Amino acid sequence: QQKVQQSPESLSVPEGGMASLNCTSSDRNFQYFWWYRQHSGEGPKALMSIFSDGDKKEGRFTAHLNKASLHVSLHIRDSQPSDSALYFCAASDTGYQNFYFGKGTSLTVIP
Amino acid sequence: NAGVIQTPRHKVTGKGQEATLWCEPISGHSAVFWYRQTIVQGLEFLTYFRNQAPIDDSGMPKERFSAQMPNQSHSTLKIQSTQPQDSAVYLCASSLVLGYAEQFFGPGTRLTVL
Repeated sequence: QQKVQQSPESLSVPEGGMASLNCTSSDRNFQYFWWYRQHSGEGPKALMSIFSDGDKKEGRFTAHLNKASLHVSLHIRDSQPSDSALYFCAASDTGYQNFYFGKGTSLTVIP
Repeated sequence: NAGVIQTPRHKVTGKGQEATLWCEPISGHSAVFWYRQTIVQGLEFLTYFRNQAPIDDSGMPKERFSAQMPNQSHSTLKIQSTQPQDSAVYLCASSLVLGYAEQFFGPGTRLTVL
């Protein structure tokens, strides 16, 4: 069973619109969450981490974590064509014996 | 800081040949990871090292894949008797510490097995 599930698999939003990506973990030991972004031809790059319940905002990006439901989301406001990429959710447990990436959400921002 | 360096960026091998992929982690990072990425399977964990010691290779196909980290400045992933299904992008990442530390990825090596 995939430890980290992401939805949707792909998403298209107009330039200037809001993109919302979702991620759910199946393991209650996973307490640390990351969002990574990968542009074509490059390795993934960390966007932001979230370790506590609630919202965390960095520029146009806002992550929201609900530990009770093991759900984390990423919202991108005022989406730009340069945001078009593959977005991964990653989770690790407190002892860091395990670190899992989801399968990713492909985001396309349409000019 | 040059980031994580992976060489070669592209490698083409014939079926049955050996492929060795190289990774130079960021200086000072104690953890080094190897992943395989394909369209179908996504990003798959292969193995990781902590302070050069192998910690978890649960993602490694046992028969033909091996990874080593002979010193703190480089790690290698070796694939013996390559098969077409080994074609993928192989990514190396390093992090400062284990736990909740950010992983820094290299650009990857695209392996094509003909």
